[in-house]
Amino acid sequence: EVQLVESGGGLVKPGGSLRLSCAASGFTFSSYSMNWVRQAPGKGLEWVSSISSSSSYIYYADSVKGRFTISRDNAKNSLYLQMNSLRAEDTAVYYCAREATAIGAYAFDIWGQGTMVTVSS
Amino acid sequence: QSALTQPASVSGSPGQSITISCTGTSSDVGGYNYVSWYQQHPGKAPKLMIYDVSNRPSGVSNRFSGSKSGNTASLTISGLQAEDEADYYCSSYTSSSTLRVFGTGTKVTVL
Repeated sequence: EVQLVESGGGLVKPGGSLRLSCAASGFTFSSYSMNWVRQAPGKGLEWVSSISSSSSYIYYADSVKGRFTISRDNAKNSLYLQMNSLRAEDTAVYYCAREATAIGAYAFDIWGQGTMVTVSS
Repeated sequence: QSALTQPASVSGSPGQSITISCTGTSSDVGGYNYVSWYQQHPGKAPKLMIYDVSNRPSGVSNRFSGSKSGNTASLTISGLQAEDEADYYCSSYTSSSTLRVFGTGTKVTVL
């Protein structure tokens, strides 16, 4: 079964750091670009970051540029998001999502269940 | 990069058809055929319903269809069913440095 499982969320104080992980299974992880997408409570979806299959290309939303770092370990079938200088507005459910490479589309075809990050003092 | 504009809510009776619009600019929706649509039920992860403007992934009902005209994309749900009640989001590739943008989201209510 194709699956993405996020972990690492929790409560952190403003200015603090957190590292999210996403474990992939059921597909050849190293062949796919991966993304992080977040959703603040009661709000819409916001794309956060993208990384190509070999980590050659990395992109960030303006709202997190300079504070968040996306990375991956293809040997461990894992995606990461290092979040520094966290702000209250970073409070959200963070989803990892697979790029729909197999169908040649700019779309997210597989999503994890999400992990909640709460930034509060 | 601003979010794509969607109506906040759309409603319809069972069996009817509804259409959700998604308006962007020539830098995103209008410039590329890379519009996708996602369905999200409360407390659940989003699900891909349409990709590349009008293509359905395997397993998605043919009651869902997509189209685009200029800077506006649309998702049509025909034969509306109770299980279609959910939030729907469009997304597009964008030529800006941020690469991707989502719509503001539309709550679909089945009356």
